[in-house]
Amino acid sequence: SYELTQPPSVSVSPGQTVSITCSGDKLGNKNTCWYQQKPGQSPVLVIYQDNKRPSGIPERFSGSNSGNTATLTISGTQAMDEADYYCQTWDSSTGVFGGGTKLTVL
Amino acid sequence: EVKLLESGGGLVQPGGSLRLSCAASGFIFSSYAMTWVRQAPGKGLEWVSSISGSGGRTYNGDSVKGRFTISRDDSKNTLSLQMNSLRAEDTAVYYCAKGRSSKEKEAFDMWGQGTVVTVSS
Repeated sequence: SYELTQPPSVSVSPGQTVSITCSGDKLGNKNTCWYQQKPGQSPVLVIYQDNKRPSGIPERFSGSNSGNTATLTISGTQAMDEADYYCQTWDSSTGVFGGGTKLTVL
Repeated sequence: EVKLLESGGGLVQPGGSLRLSCAASGFIFSSYAMTWVRQAPGKGLEWVSSISGSGGRTYNGDSVKGRFTISRDDSKNTLSLQMNSLRAEDTAVYYCAKGRSSKEKEAFDMWGQGTVVTVSS
């Protein structure tokens, strides 16, 4: 079965830029999206189709996808961005999530 | 305003059955694919099942294949998940999620608040 691999945790200082990676075989050939989940809350879509932001998502969130790696980048990270982040794609007709990355804003 | 409201969760014994429902409002329900995603306690997200906007195509994850059935009633704006032969490992928060289009292989742009399913004797 298809697998997506994310680092378990990443930390960043307020105002800095942070990138969260998501790796999978030929992932660049698939559409990838990203979800943010804060404790006790439902997930929120922050990036879809590799690099598109839904309405209401701040411009500091951006995405890219090439080769075997998709990347979520947060520029000018704020304390409110501290959350778990999940990448997701489709392999044939099966939905696949990455294991999630806990972002800590120190 | 788009809203998704799950119900039907609870405590069930191993081998038992449960039916989850998701009431949708604020959008043309029949035009969008819908999905169930679950999250075990302290764990990550797991895709469970998806159904196309027409209802003609359904897909299930390997861990629930043959046990869970996704369906929709567009006349009632309701998504359902029939869960049979439940196991302890099915214990999770179950989320209903709306796809971005009628096609099932899309991102999920709206999520419900979730309903808790606990499988235990």
